[in-house]
Amino acid sequence: AIWMTQSPSLLSASTGDRVTISCRMSQGISSYLAWYQQKPGKAPELLIYAASTLQSGVPSRFSGSGSGTDFTLTISCLQSEDFATYYCQQYYSFPYTFGQGTKLEIK
Amino acid sequence: QVQLQESGPGLVKPSQTLSLTCTVSGGSISSGSYYWSWIRQPAGKGLEWIGRIYTSGSTNYNPSLKSRVTISVDTSKNQFSLKLSSVTAADTAVYYCAREPSVGLANIDYWGQGTLVTVSS
Repeated sequence: AIWMTQSPSLLSASTGDRVTISCRMSQGISSYLAWYQQKPGKAPELLIYAASTLQSGVPSRFSGSGSGTDFTLTISCLQSEDFATYYCQQYYSFPYTFGQGTKLEIK
Repeated sequence: QVQLQESGPGLVKPSQTLSLTCTVSGGSISSGSYYWSWIRQPAGKGLEWIGRIYTSGSTNYNPSLKSRVTISVDTSKNQFSLKLSSVTAADTAVYYCAREPSVGLANIDYWGQGTLVTVSS
């Protein structure tokens, strides 16, 4: 299985900040990476797929980059509704695997 | 817009079989454009992919669960199902059903709301 190291596990920030979350793979996955946002008690929602393609309806303040083994999710100008937990996921090979999650909290 | 809804017992006894069904509305499960997946999440923890099925019946499973998992599809009811045998407390989790496009580079794009299954005597 492909293992992922997602960092940081906890991120404190303020509204209006720019934040970055990292995901590193144990082996190359080309661009088969997705980012999800999950709020308490809710199902995850797809933000970005193919490493950098914004899912329809997702605000443009979200962006993704990277390929191979290193990937980044950036949120520019944080809004109150962005405080949530974020997961990366590889779908290059089975079993699909998720990062450990990054909880983004209000500073 | 497509909607997915999980259903099934919320409490299962150890060593028994967990059975869940996902009902798809707003689209045909047999369109051929999607895989249909199950993912779970223990309370306060991360996400674990269980497996997926295509309309043809072709499946892919997580090796860590493969010996205990069966995913099936019923196109006449627009449903797909999960069976997990010989459950233990470690299988207690919120179980999600989800949709994954079968073409292009998109990944799991729609999820059900999730259903909590507790394994306890």
